[in-house]
Amino acid sequence: AQSVTQLDSQVPVFEEAPVELRCNYSSSVSVYLFWYVQYPNQGLQLLLKYLSGSTLVESINGFEAEFNKSQTSFHLRKPSVHISDTAEYFCAVSSYTDKLIFGTGTRLQVFP
Amino acid sequence: GAVVSQHPSWVICKSGTSVKIECRSLDFQATTMFWYRQFPKQSLMLMATSNEGSKATYEQGVEKDKFLINHASLTLSTLTVTSAHPEDSSFYICSARPTGPNTGELFFGEGSRLTVL
Repeated sequence: AQSVTQLDSQVPVFEEAPVELRCNYSSSVSVYLFWYVQYPNQGLQLLLKYLSGSTLVESINGFEAEFNKSQTSFHLRKPSVHISDTAEYFCAVSSYTDKLIFGTGTRLQVFP
Repeated sequence: GAVVSQHPSWVICKSGTSVKIECRSLDFQATTMFWYRQFPKQSLMLMATSNEGSKATYEQGVEKDKFLINHASLTLSTLTVTSAHPEDSSFYICSARPTGPNTGELFFGEGSRLTVL
């Protein structure tokens, strides 16, 4: 079975500052990794995903995450955040045949 | 991209009544759909896995007689909260896995907020 740990429940940051949201996973098999974003009272939107290939994946809005197998991590980063990035971010893991398991979420709060 | 629609997005009901929430994949077929529950400021907890044409598989601690799941077609799954009580108030989110090679990726609905008075 897989599990996901998001180490930070809240991350406050000023606008235009860099940010890193941490995610570690555990699994005995190869995994797929995802970051989802949730805005208030909305469903989840896929931000980016790692399925195979290049370990650095990027989203269209400037986020990136790097799959590190040795450290079992998939941290999310953005070099310069905007107010509009304020949201809840969920890291998730699944294997080829298993369901999607979510971390507890990280609340990113961007201040002007 | 693949779109999943949930209906209703908001529902308020009286205690003791039943509420049905629909989850539809609009532009793809989904053999498997998942139902999640999210309490305020918490993560998503998987309730059950719904497979088209067969019984749903419920996670430990989820009452299958209370949360009835039906997956009658490749584009529709329904969750019925029976005899709802205030503690069932929550945000329910469905997701769908497209048929074909499994990449592990799921597409999520916008969620349905249930308030039981």
